Amino acid sequence: GIQVEQSPPDLILQEGANSTLRCNFSDSVNNLQWFHQNPWGQLINLFYIPSGTKQNGRLSATTVATERYSLLYISSSQTTDSGVYFCAALYNFNKFYFGSGTKLNVKP
Amino acid sequence: EAGVVQSPRYKIIEKKQPVAFWCNPISGHNTLYWYRQNLGQGPELLIRYENEEAVDDSQLPKDRFSAERLKGVDSTLKIQPAELGDSAVYLCASSPSGSRDDTQYFGPGTRLTVL
Repeated sequence: GIQVEQSPPDLILQEGANSTLRCNFSDSVNNLQWFHQNPWGQLINLFYIPSGTKQNGRLSATTVATERYSLLYISSSQTTDSGVYFCAALYNFNKFYFGSGTKLNVKP
Repeated sequence: EAGVVQSPRYKIIEKKQPVAFWCNPISGHNTLYWYRQNLGQGPELLIRYENEEAVDDSQLPKDRFSAERLKGVDSTLKIQPAELGDSAVYLCASSPSGSRDDTQYFGPGTRLTVL
């Protein structure tokens, strides 16, 4: 398998602030996804991004496959952004490996 | 379109008792996954189905866990007997045609507490 590491493990922001979450993976991967797990435990897809950059509203993601990392940017954070953000890497077209997540708390 | 449905949402049992979880994937999704998520960690794959065939069950503790996906639609995950360490959230996910290029859609999970 592979190792997927996320940083930081915890993040506290004031509403309106920007942040960058990082996901490193130990080997070449076929696919990289970002998820948001809300306080009720529901995992929601944010991005499917094996390479390049995508944007969706206040969120954007960049994956540099050759350097084995992906970044998730949150701009103008809102309290509803709170929760845990996971990246998941598909290895050998076979299995997704999840990181341990970044727990985000956005304070009003 | 309806999302992935799981039941029950919560289950509390005594150790050594059996327990079963049910999952109904999104209509038309051929691939179904069961994950286990321990507190403070990311989900870990237990088993993946392509239609009714289990194509990856290498992480499933087969001495006590079993799963089935009859007719390639609904799936059931069973634990017998449960142990204290099985307390976790069990997540079901589905994707249209396999893990190669498809996004996974997750259900709300079943939170299991073993006393």
